[in-house]
Amino acid sequence: SQQGEEDPQALSIQEGENATMNCSYKTSINNLQWYRQNSGRGLVHLILIRSNEREKHSGRLRVTLDTSKKSSSLLITASRAADTASYFCAPISSGSARQLTFGSGTQLTVLP
Amino acid sequence: EAGVAQSPRYKIIEKRQSVAFWCNPISGHATLYWYQQILGQGPKLLIQFQNNGVVDDSQLPKDRFSAERLKGVDSTLKIQPAKLEDSAVYLCASSLVMSSYNEQFFGPGTRLTVL
Repeated sequence: SQQGEEDPQALSIQEGENATMNCSYKTSINNLQWYRQNSGRGLVHLILIRSNEREKHSGRLRVTLDTSKKSSSLLITASRAADTASYFCAPISSGSARQLTFGSGTQLTVLP
Repeated sequence: EAGVAQSPRYKIIEKRQSVAFWCNPISGHATLYWYQQILGQGPKLLIQFQNNGVVDDSQLPKDRFSAERLKGVDSTLKIQPAKLEDSAVYLCASSLVMSSYNEQFFGPGTRLTVL
């Protein structure tokens, strides 16, 4: 398994603004997953994008994947205070033991 | 459906004491994971079970940590003896099958403080 590196480490925005966070990885992947962790809680799966997909939407979430650059981005539109959380990406390598390996995440703060 | 249950939610112990955490995965989920999350970091996988067999325990400090999943359902993670650096949140997760496309469902975690 390989670890994704999220960037930036911290992001602070006003409610209603869009938030973009990025993920980079090193080797080829089968898919990439994004998770959210609210303070004091477990992680929650947000979205999975397969290696042959370039963009995927789910509600206010938009994920892109550029396999040539080995990077992904997560866009949250019209952010809300409830979006305040840490966001983690997990690249799943081809042939791996289907394990998730997390970086340190992006801490998003949405100010009311 | 009920989520992943963990207990206790919080535990404070002295170093060199023992502690055990319990996890009940989502019904029917064959794969169970234990993660350690140190403050400010992402979760780190400690051990992965498929039913009641261990798939990967390469990052489990086996001199002090042990885990079991009897009958392929509930699981316990034990630390004996605890060290100061074991202070962390211990997360349990489960997935339906061991597949690259399966999302993992996480419990709320157990926050361990070792004094």
